[in-house]
Amino acid sequence: SAVISQKPSRDICQRGTSLTIQCQVDSQVTMMFWYRQQPGQSLTLIATANQGSEATYESGFVIDKFPISRPNLTFSTLTVSNMSPEDSSIYLCSVEDPGYGYTFGSGTRLTVV
Amino acid sequence: KQEVTQIPAALSVPEGENLVLNCSFTDSAIYNLQWFRQDPGKGLTSLLLIQSSQREQTSGRLNASLDKSSGRSTLYIAASQPGDSATYLCAVNPSNYQLIWGAGTKLIIKP
Repeated sequence: SAVISQKPSRDICQRGTSLTIQCQVDSQVTMMFWYRQQPGQSLTLIATANQGSEATYESGFVIDKFPISRPNLTFSTLTVSNMSPEDSSIYLCSVEDPGYGYTFGSGTRLTVV
Repeated sequence: KQEVTQIPAALSVPEGENLVLNCSFTDSAIYNLQWFRQDPGKGLTSLLLIQSSQREQTSGRLNASLDKSSGRSTLYIAASQPGDSATYLCAVNPSNYQLIWGAGTKLIIKP
């Protein structure tokens, strides 16, 4: 099955700053998904990223706050911009892995102070 | 609208017991269902994937069943160990890439 390397694993950031999270997949995939998991909650899909096109954002998420890059079929980044304490969450990337369902990265635990 | 419910929300059992986690969904038109475990502050590890045409899948001490007609899936863990302590999530795939998630069951196995 696909293996996803996600970095950083955790970070503590000052409010008003930005953090970029990276995901590298060991195989080429068409779509990559970015999720947010707020404390004590289940996962919420932020956006779907296709290579060579703009990401598709879910209701409640906007590109200015969560810009996404997808420069090739194995890599994507999510930036959390102008952070506030409400952005403190675990952020996860995921890919669909044919025959295995969905595979997730190891997560980025973000704390905004 | 598809909704996924997991019961119980939390479960604490002594080591060695067999246990069952439940996942129910409201719309039987699913593509597949997947069980994950999540350790605190970490990402998700896929445990089992059941396609809509399948009734069950097994991996080691884990067995997952699927009954689409009743909208239910169960995850059976045999001979539980402290290392099984985690949150277990089920996710329904209705075939449009938008997984529908349960809220999870937090499992604690007491040594």
